[in-house]
Amino acid sequence: EVQLLESGGGLAQPGGSLRLSCAASGFAFSAYAITWVRQAPGKGLEWVSGITGNSGVTDYADSVRGRFTISRDNSKNTVYLQMNSLRGEDTAVYFCARVRTATVGTWYFDYWGQGTLVTVSS
Amino acid sequence: SYELTQPPSVSVSPGQTARITCSGDALPKKYAYWYQQKSGQAPVLVIYEDSKRPSGIPERFSGSRSGTMATLTISGAQVDDEADYYCYSTDSSGNHRGVFGTGTKVTVL
Repeated sequence: EVQLLESGGGLAQPGGSLRLSCAASGFAFSAYAITWVRQAPGKGLEWVSGITGNSGVTDYADSVRGRFTISRDNSKNTVYLQMNSLRGEDTAVYFCARVRTATVGTWYFDYWGQGTLVTVSS
Repeated sequence: SYELTQPPSVSVSPGQTARITCSGDALPKKYAYWYQQKSGQAPVLVIYEDSKRPSGIPERFSGSRSGTMATLTISGAQVDDEADYYCYSTDSSGNHRGVFGTGTKVTVL
């Protein structure tokens, strides 16, 4: 059974940092890209960042580029999201998800974790 | 930036058919995907590559795409289908990542 479990959320001050983790099981972890998607309270879904299975490609939404860093440790079946210079607008539930690649190269997401809440407030 | 537009809400009686639309300029050339999100839960993929259903998704969920619009159809809607639904697709730039639609709240009553 494919499982993804996020951790590391909590309260951070504006300008502060948090590191989220996404622990995966039930599939060949290194063969899949993993992505982070967030959802602000009462709002829609926003893609945040993604990383390929061999870490060869990383990508970020414009809203977090330069502040967030995605990485992975395939020996631990875990993906990380280092979030620096946090802002109030980063307050959201952060989901990690497994990436599938469509025949035309599009990333889409077939399994999701339950999410971890990040609150940025003084 | 690329946008996918959905109606904010759709209401349907149990057993009737609900249709949720998603409009985007690149849809004539790009697949559409659909996610269901029940309150307080993670999204679930219900349709991929326009019309394919993942294992475990009921047959009452179907998808189609024509021109600049994709449609998710719930045939014989059930109370358990009440949720937010998001379409997802990519723009015409060739980028691998996409954007989510604005979301549609489906009410079954």
